[in-house]
Amino acid sequence: AQTVTQSQPEMSVQEAETVTLSCTYDTSESNYYLFWYKQPPSRQMILVIRQEAYKQQNATENRFSVNFQKAAKSFSLKISDSQLGDTAMYFCAFRGTSGTYKYIFGTGTRLKVLA
Amino acid sequence: NAGVTQTPKFQVLKTGQSMTLQCAQDMNHNSMYWYRQDPGMGLRLIYYSASEGTTDKGEVPNGYNVSRLNKREFSLRLESAAPSQTSVYFCASSELPPLIRPEAFFGQGTRLTVV
Repeated sequence: AQTVTQSQPEMSVQEAETVTLSCTYDTSESNYYLFWYKQPPSRQMILVIRQEAYKQQNATENRFSVNFQKAAKSFSLKISDSQLGDTAMYFCAFRGTSGTYKYIFGTGTRLKVLA
Repeated sequence: NAGVTQTPKFQVLKTGQSMTLQCAQDMNHNSMYWYRQDPGMGLRLIYYSASEGTTDKGEVPNGYNVSRLNKREFSLRLESAAPSQTSVYFCASSELPPLIRPEAFFGQGTRLTVV
């Protein structure tokens, strides 16, 4: 069974600094998708970035980028120039491409951006 | 375009009462999901429906039932609520392969308290 592990329950970063959130996963599939979702206090789940496993190039969305290491089964999220609005819970998620297409989530990292 | 709509947003139940959480999506997605979110445990899958006419148990199905009413609607029922079911519930939907947008789309969540 697939698993997703986020080992940092809480993190903080100074405004304008860079922070990296860690995520590791386990799967026997060769092709799959990985995601980072942001959950602000509003509770809404917002997609931050996604990565397709067969694409070697790391995904980037403005200030958000990932470091995808397929062999190590690692998928970290880097937030550059952190802003107060980045304060939120961040979830790493996995979706396979065979079988039932369930989404497996990590336990989350609560990020606080400090002024 | 409403996306995924959940009702209600908040609910307080007494132990033993029943209720149904409603979910509808207007994105013509085939797959729909119910998750619960608890502190420190991330999002855990309760039930999912890979396509209209099918439903399957997820990680934590005990105490819940679901109905895939049609392609748009997927409801979650608590027959006899227990305090352990106090949680935030999310409905989500997604495409089936081939995937243009592989991510899950979420509703606003329902905060349920069982007293």
